[in-house]
Amino acid sequence: QVQLQESGPGLVKPSETLSLTCTVSGDSISSNYWSWIRQPPGKGLEWIAYINYSGSTNYNPSLESRVTISVDTPKKYFSLKLTTVTAADTAVYYCARGVVKGNRKFFDYWGQGTLVTVSS
Amino acid sequence: SPELTQAPSVSVSPGQRARITCSGHALPEQYACWYQQKPGQAPVLVIYQDSERPSGIPERFSGSSSGTKATLTISGVQAEDEADYYCQSIDSSGTYVVFGGGTKLTVL
Repeated sequence: QVQLQESGPGLVKPSETLSLTCTVSGDSISSNYWSWIRQPPGKGLEWIAYINYSGSTNYNPSLESRVTISVDTPKKYFSLKLTTVTAADTAVYYCARGVVKGNRKFFDYWGQGTLVTVSS
Repeated sequence: SPELTQAPSVSVSPGQRARITCSGHALPEQYACWYQQKPGQAPVLVIYQDSERPSGIPERFSGSSSGTKATLTISGVQAEDEADYYCQSIDSSGTYVVFGGGTKLTVL
């Protein structure tokens, strides 16, 4: 059974960097794609980025200038960094396993999500 | 304008059929998928590749797509199906993942 678990600070100060890690179990991180998706309180889902084991990435254009996604294949985790955060970045952050094949892109396993609040 | 558009809410009585639609100009070229999200929980994939159902998803969930519209159909709606439903596809450039705004399904 594939399982993903997010970890990281639940509170980040404005203008600082949000850093999260997703640990993968039950699957090889060397297959599929791995993604971050967020959901502001009471709002819809927003895709942030995805990466594969070789480091090939794809970023949401609206966030690309502030986001870095990386993968550590031997250690079976991938990470998210979001710089210069504001209150608008307050959200539940989910990590997910992605299937990316041509015109098919979807997420079949998700972590439970972690709430990150941006506040001083 | 958003890449994918969903109605904010749909209501249906138990046992009836619910149809949730998602409109997008890129849908003729890109597959759509659907997620169910219950309060306080992570989304769950219920339909991928327009009409495929993942293992463990009840048969009452089905999907279709025609032209610029994708549809999630829940036949014989149950109280447990009350949730937010999100469509997801790829943008018109064929590069980026996009989500619809979500539809809240209320079971009366």
